[in-house]
Amino acid sequence: EIVMTQSPLSLPVTPGEPASISCRSSQSLLHSNGNNHLHWYLQKPGQSPHLLIYLGSNRASGVPDRFSGSGSGTDFTLKISRVETEDVGVYYCMQGLQSPNTFGQGTRLEIK
Amino acid sequence: QLQLQESGPGLVKPSETLSLTCTVSGGSISSGNYYWGWIRQPPGKGLEWIGSVYYSGNTYYNPSLESRVIISLDTPKNQFSLKLSSVTAADTAVYYCARQSGVGATNWGQGTMVTVSS
Repeated sequence: EIVMTQSPLSLPVTPGEPASISCRSSQSLLHSNGNNHLHWYLQKPGQSPHLLIYLGSNRASGVPDRFSGSGSGTDFTLKISRVETEDVGVYYCMQGLQSPNTFGQGTRLEIK
Repeated sequence: QLQLQESGPGLVKPSETLSLTCTVSGGSISSGNYYWGWIRQPPGKGLEWIGSVYYSGNTYYNPSLESRVIISLDTPKNQFSLKLSSVTAADTAVYYCARQSGVGATNWGQGTMVTVSS
């Protein structure tokens, strides 16, 4: 199975400052169709996860443009241009290229 | 708007079978190229993909659970279900159902907590 590794696992951020989370996969997530099958989710406290970014760099419906995803192959990054207090929670990357789908360990973003 | 809702017992005895149902509203589980999946989260831990069933009925399971898992569709009821046999305390988790496709898991249920204990 494809192993997903996130860093850092804990991310304290001052509101208004940028934040960045890295996700690496043990195998390339680049499909022959040109898409990277890497998705980002946010799980806010007490809530179900929800989709933020799909196929590496596409914002899901309703996601603020301060969130952006980049990367290809095995290295991916989620960036928040200016963190807001509502961004607190655990961020997960997940690969959808192969079964079993696998998640990273999660990165807990907290406000300083 | 598509909505998913998990239901089932919150307490299961060790060695018994955990059975959960996901009821889908606002859309048909038999239309479109979607996978209907189950994901779990042990208390204080991360997410684990259990498996999914394609709208055509094909199933895909996590090898770590494959010998104990069955996921199936009930098209007339617009539901899909999870059965996990021979449960132990390690299966205690919040269980989520979700609609997946090539663009990720776009819709999630609210989750249901299942505790394995005698």
